[in-house]
Amino acid sequence: QSALTQPPSASGSPGQSVTISCTGTTSDVGGYNYVSWYQQHPGKAPKLIIYEVTKRPSGVPDRFSGSKSGNTASLTVSGLQAEDEADYYCYSYAGSNRFCVFGTGTKVTVL
Amino acid sequence: QVQLVESGGGVVQPGTSLRLSCAASGFTFHAYAMHWVRQAPGKGLEWVSVISHDGNNIYYGDSVKGRFTISRDNSKNTLFLQMNSLRAEDTAMYYCAKVIDLWNGCDYWGQGTLVTVSS
Repeated sequence: QSALTQPPSASGSPGQSVTISCTGTTSDVGGYNYVSWYQQHPGKAPKLIIYEVTKRPSGVPDRFSGSKSGNTASLTVSGLQAEDEADYYCYSYAGSNRFCVFGTGTKVTVL
Repeated sequence: QVQLVESGGGVVQPGTSLRLSCAASGFTFHAYAMHWVRQAPGKGLEWVSVISHDGNNIYYGDSVKGRFTISRDNSKNTLFLQMNSLRAEDTAMYYCAKVIDLWNGCDYWGQGTLVTVSS
């Protein structure tokens, strides 16, 4: 099962925005609106920040937003804060054969 | 509040077996599908397996198919992962996670249990 493709790293200064891409195929990202995003700080469990492409769970700041175009989903973090420095992973449902797949992960650095 | 507590990890030799457990509380366990997800040291997340709320639908990632078995006991609010024929590449932190719904991702995760396969 091939992982979804994310850039290894992204960075921005406090207050700036950073956008992370997540590229799949028509069999996963492009075929379903079941893309979610997770934030993981070192030594911690992943935390859900976006689901169903654009929805935010309760308690997640509106600085986090998601979108999708074709086979690529994106996560945008606006107004970067120091605590946003973490690894970010996308996830997509992939149908009844593969079921689901994670992205390769992106390390976000706040400069 | 939702709590997921994994247990059963440890250091084992290649070719042996291990059974992980995940004790769930704070939600209606029997109403939700559950995932196992693993993360090798310094690596990314890798999906392992998912089981539907009633145990009737089960899926596995290619790397564990035929060696790992997921199951659940809804009467005890517990999820299991039986891991056989363990390999060095199975070394990872293993997380159990509750789904939002079957096709969506997971809204709650445990803190993980570490499995090390080494001779």
